[in-house]
Amino acid sequence: LAKTTQPISMDSYEGQEVNITCSHNNIATNDYITWYQQFPSQGPRFIIQGYKTKVTNEVASLFIPADRKSSTLSLPRVSLSDTAVYYCLVGDITNDMRFGAGTRLTVKP
Amino acid sequence: EPEVTQTPSHQVTQMGQEVILRCVPISNHLYFYWYRQILGQKVEFLVSFYNNEISEKSEIFDDQFSVERPDGSNFTLKIRSTKLEDSAMYFCASSPGSGRRQPQHFGDGTRLSIL
Repeated sequence: LAKTTQPISMDSYEGQEVNITCSHNNIATNDYITWYQQFPSQGPRFIIQGYKTKVTNEVASLFIPADRKSSTLSLPRVSLSDTAVYYCLVGDITNDMRFGAGTRLTVKP
Repeated sequence: EPEVTQTPSHQVTQMGQEVILRCVPISNHLYFYWYRQILGQKVEFLVSFYNNEISEKSEIFDDQFSVERPDGSNFTLKIRSTKLEDSAMYFCASSPGSGRRQPQHFGDGTRLSIL
């Protein structure tokens, strides 16, 4: 399983764009990159998934450089309700999802 | 949007007692999972289940734990002879297929408190 490294915490203000970068230097050819969000006392919620280049949905964008050794989750114009823990996971065929500590994002007014 | 539902939302049990946590996965999903999260710590994988048998389990999932899909809709986690350290949030998840390419959908958990 590819090991991932994320910042432990980040602060932002309402209306700003937030970029959270995840390092995964030993990513394998078949691995996908998936991001989850978790609010207090709730289960993780799928945000976005990608393999290479850029993926965008209604919630976020995911940027993956050509070497795929890192990825950046971009949240446009965050609000207070985006305060949560964000997890980056890398893998392919295994169902064994190993969550790291994630990045605790705090959005301030 | 269909969702994974878990009951009860909070379970309080005396140490040494058995507890059963219940989950109703999303109806057309084929893979089912249990995770736990001790307060303030990371989400930990326990077990995955497919075609009525365990497909993967972690080192946490020892003989104290068992899973079952007793009918076409429910998926349960049984903890025998609970210990204080079993106190945690337990999350159920389901996915339509296997592997990381099939994102897992999580319920909002059962908070288990062992006294």
